[in-house]
Amino acid sequence: QKEVEQNSGPLSVPEGAIASLNCTYSDRGSQSFFWYRQYSGKSPELIMFIYSNGDKEDGRFTAQLNKASQYVSLLIRDSQPSDSATYLCAVQNNDMRFGAGTRLTVKP
Amino acid sequence: ETGVTQTPRHLVMGMTNKKSLKCEQHLGHNAMYWYKQSAKKPLELMFVYNFKEQTENNSVPSRFSPECPNSSHLFLHLHTLQPEDSALYLCASSLVTAPSGRGTYNEQFFGPGTRLTVL
Repeated sequence: QKEVEQNSGPLSVPEGAIASLNCTYSDRGSQSFFWYRQYSGKSPELIMFIYSNGDKEDGRFTAQLNKASQYVSLLIRDSQPSDSATYLCAVQNNDMRFGAGTRLTVKP
Repeated sequence: ETGVTQTPRHLVMGMTNKKSLKCEQHLGHNAMYWYKQSAKKPLELMFVYNFKEQTENNSVPSRFSPECPNSSHLFLHLHTLQPEDSALYLCASSLVTAPSGRGTYNEQFFGPGTRLTVL
């Protein structure tokens, strides 16, 4: 079983729509959860982190965490073509474990 | 320089060569990491240095040898690599809030990576 699972995509949404990215994890002791964005040929860039159950909003991004279901998601509102990238979910319990990423394409 | 820097950005080497990757962080962090990123695979954690001490070595072949002379610099020495070692090698740093043993590792910041090709 993979430690951090993400749908590889590609996920395609029209400009202005809500993009929903999902991640599940296997380690129940995980304490910290991160979303990174990685443009093609670039390194990962941290965009959100969440530690507590519930929602956390930052601009157009909302991270949602449900520890009971071992599930974390990222919503991107009013998606823009510049949001097209691979989104990496990372889960931390002492060590950081990454998912393989979901490729998002926002079509103008 | 700001953030995390890595040199070289691109490296092509033969299987018999010896080369080194360099990483430097300017964020005042106390933990540094080496990751390998291959196509369509999750980031693989290779080495962790916490307060200059190596705290993790995830069964990495001995042809990869890390060195952390201080909390701002990290090296990855390469020798007799194989073609399957071709990948993007990423350095990251973070602030660890507990110095002893396995502390609380906070968000990691990545360098731009070194694209390595082994012929």
